Amino acid sequence: GAVVSQHPSWVICKSGTSVKIECRSLDFQATTMFWYRQFPKQSLMLMATSNEGSKATYEQGVEKDKFLINHASLTLSTLTVTSAHPEDSSFYICSATRSTGSTEAFFGQGTRLTVV
Amino acid sequence: GEDVEQSLFLSVREGDSSVINCTYTDSSSTYLYWYKQEPGAGLQLLTYIFSNMDMKQDQRLTVLLNKKDKHLSLRIADTQTGDSAIYFCAEDITGGGNKLTFGTGTQLKVEL
Repeated sequence: GAVVSQHPSWVICKSGTSVKIECRSLDFQATTMFWYRQFPKQSLMLMATSNEGSKATYEQGVEKDKFLINHASLTLSTLTVTSAHPEDSSFYICSATRSTGSTEAFFGQGTRLTVV
Repeated sequence: GEDVEQSLFLSVREGDSSVINCTYTDSSSTYLYWYKQEPGAGLQLLTYIFSNMDMKQDQRLTVLLNKKDKHLSLRIADTQTGDSAIYFCAEDITGGGNKLTFGTGTQLKVEL
């Protein structure tokens, strides 16, 4: 099966600093990646759709200047949380699809971000 | 709008069947999915069903879809302790684009 890897698995950072989270498709090329956010005991909320070589599409209410997404290659998308604050503490999960029309999205293992 | 609702918690005894229910509001959903999430981990796709089907069986898993009532269920036969996890249903209204709207999640606890 296809493997999607996120790095790091967990990170603790100081308030005001920036954190970069990587999402890699290890054995396939992903034209589209999605970034989700999950608060404790809640569902996943889609933050943005990341397309290789173009700007990300953000969902309503998600600050694009705070959550910078870069999809520079077919196997890597990055999410940078800029000037992180404690309310940004959450579980961030990415998913990747092989191509448009594929029935399955493959999820990374998630990144637990804690801002202190 | 796209609201997907699930009951929050289900407890069953080992060996019994579990039925997890999900209701959705968007009738244009093309694919509906069931994912499993273990503590601190990402999501594992269990199964999915195309919107023109009403049932799909995959080993211990049976998915039922009532499109008229916008109701989806996941039945796990012979539930084991390893099945304890949070189960999410999700709908894709983009026709396979994989932009998913997730349900609220059901925590399944399997007791001995």
